[in-house]
Amino acid sequence: GDSVTQMEGPVTLSEEAFLTINCTYTATGYPSLFWYVQYPGEGLQLLLKATKADDKGSNKGFEATYRKETTSFHLEKGSVQVSDSAVYFCALSDRGYSTLTFGKGTMLLVSP
Amino acid sequence: IAGITQAPTSQILAAGRRMTLRCTQDMRHNAMYWYRQDLGLGLRLIHYSNTAGTTGKGEVPDGYSVSRANTDDFPLTLASAVPSQTSVYFCASTTRSGETQYFGPGTRLLVL
Repeated sequence: GDSVTQMEGPVTLSEEAFLTINCTYTATGYPSLFWYVQYPGEGLQLLLKATKADDKGSNKGFEATYRKETTSFHLEKGSVQVSDSAVYFCALSDRGYSTLTFGKGTMLLVSP
Repeated sequence: IAGITQAPTSQILAAGRRMTLRCTQDMRHNAMYWYRQDLGLGLRLIHYSNTAGTTGKGEVPDGYSVSRANTDDFPLTLASAVPSQTSVYFCASTTRSGETQYFGPGTRLLVL
């Protein structure tokens, strides 16, 4: 079945540091890929997405590129802020199916 | 536009009691979902509904039931709560397969 694996956290960074959160997936079809973010005490909200190979999703300075050859969708940001502290979830939705498969989440802690 | 609302926000429940978590969306989305979020396990799908009148089982359906009488509402019922159902429950919706899911704010449930 489909699965998503993302790096375990917490990831602890100083403000303005470079961020990478790794995400790899297995899927039987041609999935859409997503990154969701969950701020403390809130629900999940979409951060970015990509629907086909080589697409790059971007939002709020975050980027991720859909790499079919390595089955990866790593999240990057060039300069993190304290306000980026949250839990980040990688997810996929296989074509033809409406459900999302999530990774276990990676907590990011950014200190001033 | 409210998006997705969930009620109650939080609840403490005695084991063996029946409980219904409510979810309502005003976006006219066809598909709706219930997830539970547990530390270290990420989000796991409980039940889903691709359209009004239909429901399906997710990864962890045991002990839960759902109904979808109309487009807007998707209640989740715990017939006889057990402590292992202590979790944060999120409702989500989307227009169609592979598209972005929108999440509610969650219900925090403690079963004693």
